[in-house]
Amino acid sequence: GENVEQHPSTLSVQEGDSAVIKCTYSDSASNYFPWYKQELGKRPQLIIDIRSNVGEKKDQRIAVTLNKTAKHFSLHITETQPEDSAVYFCAASRQAAGNKLTFGGGTRVLVKP
Amino acid sequence: DVKVTQSSRYLVKRTGEKVFLECVQDMDHENMFWYRQDPGLGLRLIYFSYDVKMKEKGDIPEGYSVSREKKERFSLILESASTNQTSMYLCASSLSSQPQHFGDGTRLSIL
Repeated sequence: GENVEQHPSTLSVQEGDSAVIKCTYSDSASNYFPWYKQELGKRPQLIIDIRSNVGEKKDQRIAVTLNKTAKHFSLHITETQPEDSAVYFCAASRQAAGNKLTFGGGTRVLVKP
Repeated sequence: DVKVTQSSRYLVKRTGEKVFLECVQDMDHENMFWYRQDPGLGLRLIYFSYDVKMKEKGDIPEGYSVSREKKERFSLILESASTNQTSMYLCASSLSSQPQHFGDGTRLSIL
């Protein structure tokens, strides 16, 4: 089955700096890669996703890149703000967006003012 | 807005008890999922369902079962609760081609 590894497990950045989280996956048939943000005590919420026919996707200060050959994808947050502090999860799916996901272990991001 | 509701935010049970966790969604989603969340391990899939009365094992089904008698409701059952099942349990639902939406979670403690 699919295996997703996520690094780093914790990340501390100064407000205004960039944050990068990296994930690798094992199943070359995976074709959908969402990122979820979970604030303390709250539910995970989708922040961005990418499909395997696209190499990069941006949404304001957030971007995701995908390298299918190397089987890794990354989340980039620019101009970090205190409200970006949360746990971020990457995931991979072999089928369409609604199908079962395999998650990485999570990255706890702390943005210091 | 999608609403996924889990019946309890916090639950305390004793070892050996049969425990029911309920999840209801109001958006007519065909797919429903149960995960457990443990620090450093991310979210791990226990069971999922693509249709009423249909269920499939996820990555860690041992010690659990599920029931989906109605499209909007997906129940997770711990047949005989053990302390290693103390965890945060998250339910999610989705349409076939759309992202998963999560509930608020149930923090379950088995004493």
